[in-house]
Amino acid sequence: DAGVIQSPRHEVTEMGQEVTLRCKPISGHDYLFWYRQTMMRGLELLIYFNNNVPIDDSGMPEDRFSAKMPNASFSTLKIQPSEPRDSAVYFCASSLTYPRLFFGSGTQLSVL
Amino acid sequence: GQQVMQIPQYQHVQEGEDFTTYCNSSTTLSNIQWYKQRPGGHPVFLIQLVKSGEVKKQKRLTFQFGEAKKNSSLHITATQTTDVGTYFCAFPSMNRDDKIIFGKGTRLHILP
Repeated sequence: DAGVIQSPRHEVTEMGQEVTLRCKPISGHDYLFWYRQTMMRGLELLIYFNNNVPIDDSGMPEDRFSAKMPNASFSTLKIQPSEPRDSAVYFCASSLTYPRLFFGSGTQLSVL
Repeated sequence: GQQVMQIPQYQHVQEGEDFTTYCNSSTTLSNIQWYKQRPGGHPVFLIQLVKSGEVKKQKRLTFQFGEAKKNSSLHITATQTTDVGTYFCAFPSMNRDDKIIFGKGTRLHILP
């Protein structure tokens, strides 16, 4: 199995632009988590899904952030419009019936 | 509300010395997990502890879960340069057992 696949690995964009991060979980896993990592705030849980249904999005910073999971093999995290304070590493992780998480390699986002 | 503190934030040790990181919770935890993140990498699952007073070993790593299930520790004996990285505890949220929250992490630096 290829593991959790995230794309792109790096994204540099200008303030105000829309950013879309993508994640393909491990086949058969029923949980998908989106985390954001910064030096100041550590690993923050943004949102997580179970069987493609969003369970808890209380960690999503504001309305500029949205996440979808249209099917069991794909999820997106969208930021529109992006701001410099959104710069961070965004990780996607999947799990088979909790709790061991398998993380992707992350997307390093820089908003200028 | 639930508060979990991971200490220390940073630790510098000479190669060959021991290292310990602690996670302390204000509430009883149903379980706790430990992850390691190498510099520039993604978190990788190490172990899960479930039982009160549980002790598990993985080579030079010893994991403990307190009797009251409010604290946990990870101890590394005779550190090596390959142990460099950040060690995180992770635990379920108070209100949802499948909502996984991460501690702030302990960054371990090895001095040759």
